[in-house]
Amino acid sequence: AQSVTQLDSQVPVFEEAPVELRCNYSSSVSVYLFWYVQYPNQGLQLLLKYLSGSTLVKGINGFEAEFNKSQTSFHLRKPSVHISDTAEYFCAVSPNNNDMRFGAGTRLTVKP
Amino acid sequence: GAVVSQHPSWVICKSGTSVKIECRSLDFQATTMFWYRQFPKQSLMLMATSNEGSKATYEQGVEKDKFLINHASLTLSTLTVTSAHPEDSSFYICSASGRRAYEQYFGPGTRLTVT
Repeated sequence: AQSVTQLDSQVPVFEEAPVELRCNYSSSVSVYLFWYVQYPNQGLQLLLKYLSGSTLVKGINGFEAEFNKSQTSFHLRKPSVHISDTAEYFCAVSPNNNDMRFGAGTRLTVKP
Repeated sequence: GAVVSQHPSWVICKSGTSVKIECRSLDFQATTMFWYRQFPKQSLMLMATSNEGSKATYEQGVEKDKFLINHASLTLSTLTVTSAHPEDSSFYICSASGRRAYEQYFGPGTRLTVT
């Protein structure tokens, strides 16, 4: 079975500051890794995914994440955040997409 | 592309009644659809997985007689909450995957309130 741990439930940052949202996973098999963003009362939007190949993955809205197999991590980063980035962020893992498991979520709040 | 819609976006029903939520893939054929439940300030919990034309596979602890799932076509899945109670109030989100099995596309969610 797979599990996901998002190490921070809330991350407050000031506008234009860099941010890192941390995600660790455990799995006995190779997995695909995902980051999703959820705005209030909306569904999930895919930010980026790691399937294979380069460990640095670039996504939408200026986000990127790095897959670290030895540390079983997939941290999400953005060099300069905007007010509009305020949302809930979910890390997810899946061995084959038919069994996707989500972390508890990290609430990113960008302050002016 | 890869748009998933849900209807209704919110619904209020009285305790004891049933409510149906539709999930549609608008521009692709969804071989598999997923139903999730999300409580306030919590993560998504998978309720069931359905493949077109087959019975849904429910996660442990999810009552299949209470949460009826029908995946009648490659573009439509429905979730019916039968004999709803206030504790069924939640945000229900569906997702769908097509030929690229490693991607799920999420609907906008349905807010159910049972009074």
